[in-house]
Amino acid sequence: DAGVIQSPRHEVTEMGQEVTLRCKPISGHNSLFWYRQTMMRGLELLIYFNNNVPIDDSGMPEDRFSAKMPNASFSTLKIQPSEPRDSAVYFCASSLGNSGNTIYFGEGSWLTVV
Amino acid sequence: KQEVTQIPAALSVPEGENLVLNCSFTDSAIYNLQWFRQDPGKGLTSLLLIQSSQREQTSGRLNASLDKSSGRSTLYIAASQPGDSATYLCAAGSVNAGNMLTFGGGTRLMVKP
Repeated sequence: DAGVIQSPRHEVTEMGQEVTLRCKPISGHNSLFWYRQTMMRGLELLIYFNNNVPIDDSGMPEDRFSAKMPNASFSTLKIQPSEPRDSAVYFCASSLGNSGNTIYFGEGSWLTVV
Repeated sequence: KQEVTQIPAALSVPEGENLVLNCSFTDSAIYNLQWFRQDPGKGLTSLLLIQSSQREQTSGRLNASLDKSSGRSTLYIAASQPGDSATYLCAAGSVNAGNMLTFGGGTRLMVKP
């Protein structure tokens, strides 16, 4: 299996622009997670989907952030409008089952908002 | 709310040393604890997963232990090698938080040749 696939790997955008990050989970996995990693705050869970349904989005920082999972093989994280403080590495991860199983991470999307 | 702490934040050792990385968590109601490795510019790679009913897991030179009652886990690396240099993160899966993991801040390990 190719693992969790994220795109773009790197993006530099201007403040105010819309940013869309994409994720393809491992085939057969039914749980998908979006994390954000910064030096100051470490790794934070933004949102968790199970069977394509958002289960917990309490980590989504503001209304500027939204996430969708239209089907089992695709998810997006959108930031609109983007701000410099959104600069971070955004990771998508997937796992099989509802709890207790290994989580597999993608390589991350490195976002810089100038 | 679960909080996970890792000590030390950074560690530098000469090649060949055995070393221990520490992880503590505040809520002992966990269903598992996982250790991950992160190389610079990369995602996280799962190393070991300890279920709440287990006391330890081993993979090659790595051994992870879990003591739920004291809220602690340790990752033991035997005969360290320069290729072990990376950031190691532990994450606790809390019973009260569904399938979500709470991560520690990581320990940045440097193994010098």
